[in-house]
Amino acid sequence: DTGVSQDPRHKITKRGQNVTFRCDPISEHNRLYWYRQTLGQGPEFLTYFQNEAQLEKSRLLSDRFSAERPKGSFSTLEIQRTEQGDSAMYLCASSFDRWGLAGGPTDTQYFGPGTRLTVL
Amino acid sequence: DQQVKQNSPSLSVQEGRISILNCDYTNSMFDYFLWYKKYPAEGPTFLISISSIKDKNEDGRFTVFLNKSAKHLSLHIVPSQPGDSAVYFCAAMFNTDKLIFGTGTRLQVFP
Repeated sequence: DTGVSQDPRHKITKRGQNVTFRCDPISEHNRLYWYRQTLGQGPEFLTYFQNEAQLEKSRLLSDRFSAERPKGSFSTLEIQRTEQGDSAMYLCASSFDRWGLAGGPTDTQYFGPGTRLTVL
Repeated sequence: DQQVKQNSPSLSVQEGRISILNCDYTNSMFDYFLWYKKYPAEGPTFLISISSIKDKNEDGRFTVFLNKSAKHLSLHIVPSQPGDSAVYFCAAMFNTDKLIFGTGTRLQVFP
């Protein structure tokens, strides 16, 4: 396995349009995370999944954002009615929870290359 | 509120010398700390981590030191190489393992 992959790498859209990003984690990883990074800042947590269950959502994740991981493998992040403030790098990470405890500690998180979103 | 702080936005070091990157945190509940390196247009790459029960962890040229009483950690790179030039992020976590990142320090290693 070559690591976490994300698609697309770049997305330019007009304000008001909907966009969807995809993340494929490392195959044996049962945890999947979404982060957002804006210029000059570190990545900020958005949400995470243990298998197909979404366990936590940040208050940064407004109602226009929705994330899914339908079969516990790949995940999608959809942004509806995009705004210019949504312009950012969207990062996906995955890790392996060897204890199987929801909310418990896991191994290191490995990140994908990110999807850079530009909203015009 | 910024729970993880990297107060130096940039650092310039000569090749072969030591690079020291610093990080401060405010939340005493953090129990695991990590350093990631990031090149432009790429995702963060894991470098090294340390548990709160330790005060030092070493991996090759990289050493992380943790001072819990001061809520401070540092990353030492020795010797520094031009390929180390990147943005370095300190991150902390507790309980639910979501990472809390600092704002990053841009390291430039010059010949």
